[in-house]
Amino acid sequence: QVQLVQSGAEVKKPGASVKVSCKPSGYTFTDYYIHWVRQAPGQGLEWMGRISPKSGGTRYAQKFQDRVTMTRDTSISAAYMELSRLSSDDTAVYYCARTTTVTTSSLAFDIWGQGTMVTVSS
Amino acid sequence: EIVLTQSPGTLSLSPGERATLSCRASQSVSSTYLAWYQQKPGQAPRLLIYGASSRATGIPDRFTGSGSGTDFTLTISRLDPEDFAVYYCQQYGSSLWTFGQGTKVDIK
Repeated sequence: QVQLVQSGAEVKKPGASVKVSCKPSGYTFTDYYIHWVRQAPGQGLEWMGRISPKSGGTRYAQKFQDRVTMTRDTSISAAYMELSRLSSDDTAVYYCARTTTVTTSSLAFDIWGQGTMVTVSS
Repeated sequence: EIVLTQSPGTLSLSPGERATLSCRASQSVSSTYLAWYQQKPGQAPRLLIYGASSRATGIPDRFTGSGSGTDFTLTISRLDPEDFAVYYCQQYGSSLWTFGQGTKVDIK
């Protein structure tokens, strides 16, 4: 069964960093990009960026450029998203999702993780 | 960056009625890269439509995507009780992905 399994909920203080993991199963890890999307309470979906598990290459949304780092560990087939200098505005559910790397394809997000709630509170 | 604007913000309809959701882009989008998602409370989004008009695996044929250029539409021909949810359009362009702000379809 193809799935993405994320790490558990986190509570952080303002100014801290958080690192969320995403572990795919049921397919070849390096064949698909991993994306990170967040959703603040009661709000819409916001794309943060993506990583190529094959090359490690990343592309970030401009809004997060200076605060987000996406990495992967091919030895254990896991992807990570680290967000630094947290504020209360970063309280959200963080999802990972995958797309094919084939640019002639639709590049739609066909599989999503279950989401990780990150709460930033003093 | 391409901005997607969805309308209406909320659509109040009864089961069995037809729903028409709009997604307008600030500049032309390749149909290949336009997708629609459904999200229910407490759940991750689910892919409904990709390539503007292709249904994802397991999606009922009451869901239809159409459009091109800057105007795209998701139509639900006859609303089933399980269809009341929030719907997002999404596009890819210039190595960036963006979402619309969503349309909530709720029960009238």
